Amino acid sequence: AQSVTQPDIHITVSEGASLELRCNYSYGATPYLFWYVQSPGQGLQLLLKYFSGDTLVQGIKGFEAEFKRSQSSFNLRKPSVHWSDAAEYFCAAAINTGTASKLTFGTGTRLQVTL
Amino acid sequence: DAGVTQSPTHLIKTRGQQVTLRCSPKSGHDTVSWYQQALGQGPQFIFQYYEEEERQRGNFPDRFSGHQFPNYSSELNVNALLLGDSALYLCASSSFNGRETQYFGPGTRLLVL
Repeated sequence: AQSVTQPDIHITVSEGASLELRCNYSYGATPYLFWYVQSPGQGLQLLLKYFSGDTLVQGIKGFEAEFKRSQSSFNLRKPSVHWSDAAEYFCAAAINTGTASKLTFGTGTRLQVTL
Repeated sequence: DAGVTQSPTHLIKTRGQQVTLRCSPKSGHDTVSWYQQALGQGPQFIFQYYEEEERQRGNFPDRFSGHQFPNYSSELNVNALLLGDSALYLCASSSFNGRETQYFGPGTRLLVL
């Protein structure tokens, strides 16, 4: 079955420290990959996406993600975390059917930032 | 350019009642997807509408139904509400072009008592 796994439920980092959030997918073929962020009580905001091509993807708010086919991973990174980055982060995947398709989400990683 | 909008923002219902949630897609988008996000979980796909037809459906019972209007807006209806239907309901819009990026609305928080 198609699935997305986020191994870390909760991560705490100090402001200014670097961040890496892990995401692994299980699909028969390489899916489209996304990272979304959700602040408390809010909807989801798209950070970045990977469809094909360059495996290092730049997003908004200084985030980037690297696609590694050999590891079935799409980890999110940020060199220096700001207190405002505290939120829930979701990795998602969609299979390329050539038409509109559904997103499958991981269970999320809650990021806490300490000052 | 307005993004995805949803109404109402919050809703309280009792078991057995019916509820209708509404979504207006982002300008230029023609496809609407609905997701249910239970507390502490990732969103789960309910169904997707394009050209006023349900195109895909997730693992949700028939109590969950929807509609898409000619202006691409959409409704999610849930009948015979259960306590377990309490969740954040998210609407996402996209273009039906095979390389879609879904943009989410703020959600409707439903509490079933």
